[in-house]
Amino acid sequence: EAQVTQNPRYLITVTGKKLTVTCSQNMNHEYMSWYRQDPGLGLRQIYYSMNVEVTDKGDVPEGYKVSRKEKRNFPLILESPSPNQTSLYFCASSPTGAKNQPQHFGDGTRLSIL
Amino acid sequence: AQSVTQLGSHVSVSEGALVLLRCNYSSSVPPYLFWYVQYPNQGLQLLLKYTTGATLVKGINGFEAEFKKSETSFHLTKPSAHMSDAAEYFCAVSEPHTGFQKLVFGTGTRLLVSP
Repeated sequence: EAQVTQNPRYLITVTGKKLTVTCSQNMNHEYMSWYRQDPGLGLRQIYYSMNVEVTDKGDVPEGYKVSRKEKRNFPLILESPSPNQTSLYFCASSPTGAKNQPQHFGDGTRLSIL
Repeated sequence: AQSVTQLGSHVSVSEGALVLLRCNYSSSVPPYLFWYVQYPNQGLQLLLKYTTGATLVKGINGFEAEFKKSETSFHLTKPSAHMSDAAEYFCAVSEPHTGFQKLVFGTGTRLLVSP
């Protein structure tokens, strides 16, 4: 089954403790992206990747890092999490990142930073 | 920069009633337009999209949307609501001035369906 898999689905942690949210897709997609969803704000893009070793900032990249060492994986790293990063996070992918392609989304990761 | 406006953070309808969820975008250049649905504890699923061609687009689960350039709108409709349609709906546009897809999302509309 074609899918985008995120782990963990839920995480409660404390300020300053480094964490990684993994994202993996099995569709051989070149384009991958991370979003955060906050009430009243919709989804905002954090980082995206056009292909292996090619990443760039989205609209809200502060406090986040990403890497793309393999095509299928695109982890989101919070080096020193803070409470304002408490949010619902989604990973998404599309075949090439062309403007007319819909994105496929994972089921989300709910992060609570205390 | 592109912006997307979804009027009404919550819309309530009775089962069997017409569903109308509104979406307006700001671009002067026709963008690519998408509607996504989010069920509880799930990711976003594509309902339908407009890229080029026919302005009335049909999607899954009986939904459709009409692209109206003169009104910069892409409203989502369904003739008869089902209980299973209760979810959050997001309109998104693909920025027309970038070489690749950059989605800008509206703030979402939660559809409530009562028996």
